[in-house]
Formats: sequence, C-alpha cells, structure tokens
Amino acid sequence: DTEVTQTPKHLVMGMTNKKSLKCEQHMGHRAMYWYKQKAKKPPELMFVYSYEKLSINESVPSRFSPECPNSSLLNLHLHALQPEDSALYLCASSQTPLPIQQYFGPGTRLTVT
Amino acid sequence: KQEVTQIPAALSVPEGENLVLNCSFTDSAIYNLQWFRQDPGKGLTSLLLIQSSQREQTSGRLNASLDKSSGRSTLYIAASQPGDSATYLCAVIYNQGGKLIFGQGTELSVKP
Repeated sequence: DTEVTQTPKHLVMGMTNKKSLKCEQHMGHRAMYWYKQKAKKPPELMFVYSYEKLSINESVPSRFSPECPNSSLLNLHLHALQPEDSALYLCASSQTPLPIQQYFGPGTRLTVT
Repeated sequence: KQEVTQIPAALSVPEGENLVLNCSFTDSAIYNLQWFRQDPGKGLTSLLLIQSSQREQTSGRLNASLDKSSGRSTLYIAASQPGDSATYLCAVIYNQGGKLIFGQGTELSVKP
C-alpha cells in the first residue's frame, strides 16, 4: 500500500466554524507533513511531524492546529479561519524525517465563506 | 537563498511533439530532485526522483536529467499526448534545511 488518503475531499466552512482535516497512511512512514497550496502556486510547507512529535512549524497562524495521534494519522484542526485560508491542503508522508522522498495525498479543497 | 526556478511557466504543443521542461536551482548541495505532475485541483503525483549521485532517471516516455554543477534539471517527454496536459512541478531537497523546495511549475497543454 503506497497511498496517502485525505478526508474530506471538499470542505466549505464559515469563519466561526470548527472543522478538521484528516490524513492517513499505512506505509509505516514516521514523518508526516501538511502543505497549503493556493491556485497557480506551488505547495508551501506548514508543519512537519517526526515520530509523532511536531518538529517544524513554519510560523503558521494558531487558527491552524495540527495533531498526530499515532504514526499513521495526521489531523489539521481549523478554527476561526479567514477567506484567504481557502486553498488546497495537501498531506504527505515519508519513511523517515527529511530529507527523503515524500508521498502526497490527493488533498482537501477548503473554501472559507 | 535556496530557490528553484522553472521555465517556461506555460507551454502549449501539438500532440506527438517531444518536449523539454527546465528546472534550475541555486545551490549544488542537493540531496535529491523530484519531478511531480499535478492535475487541476488534484494532489501531486511523483513522476521521477533523482538522487544527487545520479545523472538521470527514466520512466516510460519520461526522462529526467540532473546536472548539479550547472544547477539544472530537465524533464523530457517523448511523443506527447493530450493526457500529458497538467502542471509539472520540480522540487529540490537541499542538504541544508532538508525541506522540499518547489519551483513555480510549468503548465503544459498538449493539443490533439
């Protein structure tokens, strides 16, 4: 199994809502990543989890809260988002922490209204 | 500053043409270089990964080369097809920092 799955595929939320994005992999990878991608732009790294511990936070606003409950699962909790947070959110995993090949999921298309 | 640049930003070719996409990076101390394909609104599909010790990788109609001394990589697509239409992203992992640094992408359109 070489797949990273993400749910939901699409999410529409209001600025006062609380929602979560979920990412799962069953490849035994010990590093997981969240990226944000705006239209016509490359992905931007948000967070890196290494052995279930947060190792990199790229100065992301606190309205984004990551969580890694176990080595297979990565969540991104969303609260009080702004319309400019609308984007494609991509999850990735790698066998060990950086630097090494990363495998990407299909993404969650988030729209904040 | 560690940067990755892709030229051209967009490319339109007729079906059947061979084409080359270019990627340049600012520091030769790289760990590896990866080419991705992204369809509109979708995730990233890894096409080819070249380790820093390698010169090229091939997969089907795709061939990627790496020249660390000049800071360049090319992705060659042979006999292009309309199904090849997508955005192609080049990404580098530098030895220092270890993060995946993406280029801005080349949007490819192959016309039937």
